[in-house]
Amino acid sequence: DTAVSQTPKYLVTQMGNDKSIKCEQNLGHDTMYWYKQDSKKFLKIMFSYNNKELIINETVPNRFSPKSPDKAHLNLHINSLELGDSAVYFCASSQGQGGEKLFFGSGTQLSVL
Amino acid sequence: DAKTTQPPSMDCAEGRAANLPCNHSTISGNEYVYWYRQIHSQGPQYIIHGLKNNETNEMASLIITEDRKSSTLILPHATLRDTAVYYCIVRGTYNFNKFYFGSGTKLNVKP
Repeated sequence: DTAVSQTPKYLVTQMGNDKSIKCEQNLGHDTMYWYKQDSKKFLKIMFSYNNKELIINETVPNRFSPKSPDKAHLNLHINSLELGDSAVYFCASSQGQGGEKLFFGSGTQLSVL
Repeated sequence: DAKTTQPPSMDCAEGRAANLPCNHSTISGNEYVYWYRQIHSQGPQYIIHGLKNNETNEMASLIITEDRKSSTLILPHATLRDTAVYYCIVRGTYNFNKFYFGSGTKLNVKP
């Protein structure tokens, strides 16, 4: 069983479109995250949710809207996609807000044309 | 969070120990040292973490100098599957779950 699973793995779309990425974890963790890895391979935190409550929002454009329907799911919706949004997006989870071990999904490669 | 400095790349022969250094000279007393790795096309994977004592688990050993300004991750018997980018991260207990990943060290394990 995959601990943190993301769908889709690849997403190719046109500028201006709206798209969503879904994430689910079956580890029983209460904290989930979205990270973005750009073309230079730098991995940056975007959002974090603890028990469905947003606790970290790292200066991300408001075109990005995370939603956590329950502790096991954290989805990322992106409006009006831009070329610069092309990146690999990773979902992760941990137990507790001070969780020492992050468990990452395998990533979603988003390409905006 | 304290900044870390790592060499951009290292080579290691398969079966030999891989020693990956990390400098964190501005680390403060309540900041931990974490190591993660990212194998190509996968999400990062937790390896080990420590505060000031040396730590060992099934994956690796972490050696932290007495002044805590640097550390070394040791993979005792590197295999080809250990080829990855290794990230050294310093995180304070006050910073909850913000892990700041730098550029890391690309470890190339060669046959």
